[in-house]
Amino acid sequence: NAGVMQNPRHLVRRRGQEARLRCSPMKGHSHVYWYRQLPEEGLKFMVYLQKENIIDESGMPKERFSAEFPKEGPSILRIQQVVRGDSAAYFCASSPPGLGGQGRYEKLFFGSGTQLSVL
Amino acid sequence: TQLLEQSPQFLSIQEGENLTVYCNSSSVFSSLQWYRQEPGEGPVLLVTVVTGGEVKKLKRLTFQFGDARKDSSLHITAAQPGDTGLYLCAGARDYKLSFGAGTTVTVRA
Repeated sequence: NAGVMQNPRHLVRRRGQEARLRCSPMKGHSHVYWYRQLPEEGLKFMVYLQKENIIDESGMPKERFSAEFPKEGPSILRIQQVVRGDSAAYFCASSPPGLGGQGRYEKLFFGSGTQLSVL
Repeated sequence: TQLLEQSPQFLSIQEGENLTVYCNSSSVFSSLQWYRQEPGEGPVLLVTVVTGGEVKKLKRLTFQFGDARKDSSLHITAAQPGDTGLYLCAGARDYKLSFGAGTTVTVRA
């Protein structure tokens, strides 16, 4: 059973370009969460999605950032017009469905992350 | 500011010694999780504690959740070089996890 797959592992972009980060959840998992990690700051919640739905994007910057989890295919975190401050490790996690339709956050599985470097 | 404060930030000990990592908050959480993260990899869940005062043991690791569900500790007995890594605590409210900044543990052979 493959784990959470993220690609690319490393992504280098110049200021002003777009970054697309992909995440394929574990088989049977319908809930995806994106976190950002800066050195010595821990992981920060960005967005929580179910298939075709954004449940909570309160941790996402209002501009330039967007996320989707289509019916088919991986979840995508998209950053438009990247700036140096976007440089960070971006982690995706998935969980199985739980009672009431929410994800079982107590059973999160993280991918290996995408390290984004903005030049 | 971090919702969860971890201490110490760095810990270096000799193989065979014991260590304790603390995770404190002024907020109440429905559960608290401990993760371990290797360089270049994502966090891996070690344990989830749910009930105030709960104690869980995982081989040489002992996890405790405070009575008020605001703090937790991780104790490693007779540490080994394989225990080296970044240990993260995370408090859960609904589906959102708030992470501490982590404790980097180095166990010297």
